[in-house]
Amino acid sequence: DTEVTQTPKHLVMGMTNKKSLKCEQHMGHRAMYWYKQKAKKPPELMFVYSYEKLSINESVPSRFSPECPNSSLLNLHLHALQPEDSALYLCASSHRLWTSQDPDTQYFGPGTRLTVL
Amino acid sequence: SQQGEEDPQALSIQEGENATMNCSYKTSINNLQWYRQNSGRGLVHLILIRSNEREKHSGRLRVTLDTSKKSSSLLITASRAADTASYFCATDAEEETSGSRLTFGEGTQLTVNP
Repeated sequence: DTEVTQTPKHLVMGMTNKKSLKCEQHMGHRAMYWYKQKAKKPPELMFVYSYEKLSINESVPSRFSPECPNSSLLNLHLHALQPEDSALYLCASSHRLWTSQDPDTQYFGPGTRLTVL
Repeated sequence: SQQGEEDPQALSIQEGENATMNCSYKTSINNLQWYRQNSGRGLVHLILIRSNEREKHSGRLRVTLDTSKKSSSLLITASRAADTASYFCATDAEEETSGSRLTFGEGTQLTVNP
């Protein structure tokens, strides 16, 4: 199985709602990522989990809260979002921690299209 | 953090023609990767070239890397309508020691007309 799945595909929420995005992979990958992508722009890294521990937080506002319950699952909890947070949220996974000798390919899910009203 | 730049921003060609996209970056890297994204979908990894490699081929794809100029190019030969997508370069910076931090270029939107 070389697939990263994300649910839901689309999400519309109000600024006072609490929702969660889910990501799952069964490739045995130990690193998982959340990216945010605005229209016609490249993906921007938000968080990296390595071996179920948060290793990189790119100064993301606290209204986004990541969680890695186990090595196959990654969640992104959303609360009190702003309309400018509307974007495509991409999850990715990769085999192992990066080292200078070992290139690491990331496998992306199809994304969740989030609209904040 | 570094920022990759790609040119052209948009490229429109006829089926059967070759498409060349360029990417420049600013800091030292371990490797450079190219990804493809169909409209509104996830990214698909195409090819990776290490910093000590100069050229790599995969099927109809040819990637070059010039570390002295901090630039890379992606050539797609004999293009097909199904190649229509956005193409992003992504660099894995040399100084990173934990996790895998990819920095994506701005992307090239390729349209292949039947």
